[in-house]
Amino acid sequence: QVQLVQSGAEVKKPGASVKVSCKASGYTFTSYDINWVRQATGQGLEWMGWMNPNSGNTGYAQKFQGRVTMTTNTSISTAYMELSSLRSEDTAVYYCAKIGLITKSDDDYWGQGTLVTVSS
Amino acid sequence: QSVLTQPPSASETPGQRVTISCSGSSSNIGGNYVYWYQQLPGTAPKLLIYRNNQRPSGVPDRFSGSKSGTSASLAISGLRSEDEADYYCAAWDDSLSGVVFGGGTKLTVL
Repeated sequence: QVQLVQSGAEVKKPGASVKVSCKASGYTFTSYDINWVRQATGQGLEWMGWMNPNSGNTGYAQKFQGRVTMTTNTSISTAYMELSSLRSEDTAVYYCAKIGLITKSDDDYWGQGTLVTVSS
Repeated sequence: QSVLTQPPSASETPGQRVTISCSGSSSNIGGNYVYWYQQLPGTAPKLLIYRNNQRPSGVPDRFSGSKSGTSASLAISGLRSEDEADYYCAAWDDSLSGVVFGGGTKLTVL
């Protein structure tokens, strides 16, 4: 079955960077985009962008352009999301996801989430 | 401020029916499929409705979705205590070239 397993919680200082990993299994990793979505405590879902592991193409939400970098390592079926110049407002749970609406299907799977805390 | 607009809260008693609305524009709901997610506390979102009104395997038929123009709705009938959760609508936005979510609706089963 499809699984997306993310790396553990992180605590970072303002101005630092964080890199979250997402290991995929149960499907052909290079065949589907990986999306990243974040959720601040008590807040709603916020889409950050996508990456196609086969082509390397990316698409970032305007809010994060210049600060986010999405990459993949196809040899180990793992996607990465790096966010730089962290500020307190970036404290959130970050999810990787295979989002169904991208492919107009019900092929929809999410990682367990990674809590990133930005605090001095 | 979310691109898609949902009421922040909704409540109803067990066994009753509740409807959650999601309002957008021609660049998102008006021209693309609407998806609905259920999120229980401390867990990742779970797909509830896809392509406006389709249920994934395993989702009870108590959950139904509809879309008209630039608005969509999620209806839950025969409410149960385990339906108490946050519900989010989502769609692709052609102008933003990205996924947009509603702000979420917290459903309380009284």
